[in-house]
Amino acid sequence: DSGVTQTPKHLITATGQRVTLRCSPRSGDLSVYWYQQSLDQGLQFLIQYYNGEERAKGNILERFSAQQFPDLHSELNLSSLELGDSALYFCASSVGRQETQYFGPGTRLLVL
Amino acid sequence: AQSVSQHNHHVILSEAASLELGCNYSYGGTVNLFWYVQYPGQHLQLLLKYFSGDPLVKGIKGFEAEFIKSKFSFNLRKPSVQWSDTAEYFCAVKYSGAGSYQLTFGKGTKLSVIP
Repeated sequence: DSGVTQTPKHLITATGQRVTLRCSPRSGDLSVYWYQQSLDQGLQFLIQYYNGEERAKGNILERFSAQQFPDLHSELNLSSLELGDSALYFCASSVGRQETQYFGPGTRLLVL
Repeated sequence: AQSVSQHNHHVILSEAASLELGCNYSYGGTVNLFWYVQYPGQHLQLLLKYFSGDPLVKGIKGFEAEFIKSKFSFNLRKPSVQWSDTAEYFCAVKYSGAGSYQLTFGKGTKLSVIP
């Protein structure tokens, strides 16, 4: 157990819908990262927050957004969902901006 | 663009065989290097990491990796694999630089160990 928690574990929804994935970092970690794991693209970085502020953006679609709250938990919002958004979404956290990242168990999203 | 290559998509070994998984990364200056393992149905777990110092790093469960700067490589090794090592292994690189805090992952190597 890495200490990073993610909810829900599984999510099944329909195209066009919007979902919110939640991540709680390890105690004391200020940085939160979101990654998408799919069969064709592998593991891809989406976005990073540090102490409530966006710090880096990767291959994140405009339909996706995220935020980090004052208690440091983070939410990833996915809207206008498409079949291709089906993937495993991981959250990771680290103490600062450059230390080792520890991963949560992931949320498996299935868009039908 | 920065990239990480893992040479083998799927490796099948018998128990007690030695393991070496290749990882090469594109040049990008100073790097931090990681190997993560993903057991079936589980999340990514850190096996080992290299930030600086001795290029031969030891991780958990008997794994080690060697950073060869001239070859841009960070290969993972284990002298004798066990059935419980069956998993997918990911090499990851963090490139230093403004805003570069994310990890760039390789495509992963699936390891199947036959009892």
